Amino acid sequence: DTEVTQTPKHLVMGMTNKKSLKCEQHMGHRAMYWYKQKAKKPPELMFVYSYEKLSINESVPSRFSPECPNSSLLNLHLHALQPEDSALYLCASSQPLAGTTYNEQFFGPGTRLTVL
Amino acid sequence: AQKVTQAQTEISVVEKEDVTLDCVYETRDTTYYLFWYKQPPSGELVFLIRRNSFDEQNEISGRYSWNFQKSTSSFNFTITASQVVDSAVYFCALSEDSGNTPLVFGKGTRLSVIA
Repeated sequence: DTEVTQTPKHLVMGMTNKKSLKCEQHMGHRAMYWYKQKAKKPPELMFVYSYEKLSINESVPSRFSPECPNSSLLNLHLHALQPEDSALYLCASSQPLAGTTYNEQFFGPGTRLTVL
Repeated sequence: AQKVTQAQTEISVVEKEDVTLDCVYETRDTTYYLFWYKQPPSGELVFLIRRNSFDEQNEISGRYSWNFQKSTSSFNFTITASQVVDSAVYFCALSEDSGNTPLVFGKGTRLSVIA
């Protein structure tokens, strides 16, 4: 099984809503990532979990809250978002090479989020 | 600091033409990894290739080939006999091997292959 799954595929939410994005991989990867991608832009890193611990937070606003319940699952909890947070949210995973922390990342299909 | 430049924003070719996507990178590390990803209209980023800084051999996979030249800090990607299904945004990315440094992406090149 060489895939990363993400749910939901599409999400529309109001600025006062609380919602969660989910990501799952069964490749035994120990690093998982959240990226945000605006239209016609490259993905921007948000968070990295390495061995289920948050290792990188790229100064993301606190209205985005990541969670890694176990080595296969990664969640992104959303609360009080703004319309400018509308984007494609991509999850990825990788298996670190010996001596490095990160290797090629395998991406999920993304959740297309619209904040009204 | 690391940086990836994809100077071609958009390229349009007619089916069966060959096309080369350029990627130039900057890094202070001697050990690093280079990647190419394809993003079709569906949105998913598809991993195409990883190359480490010590392996300058060019690689061919079917219609795809990659030319890595450390002397010019380039990692170019060529599609031979392009097909409509090759239409996508292609991202070049760099990862330094110095600890917690994940992928840095170029801005991407949008390739349109016209039938």
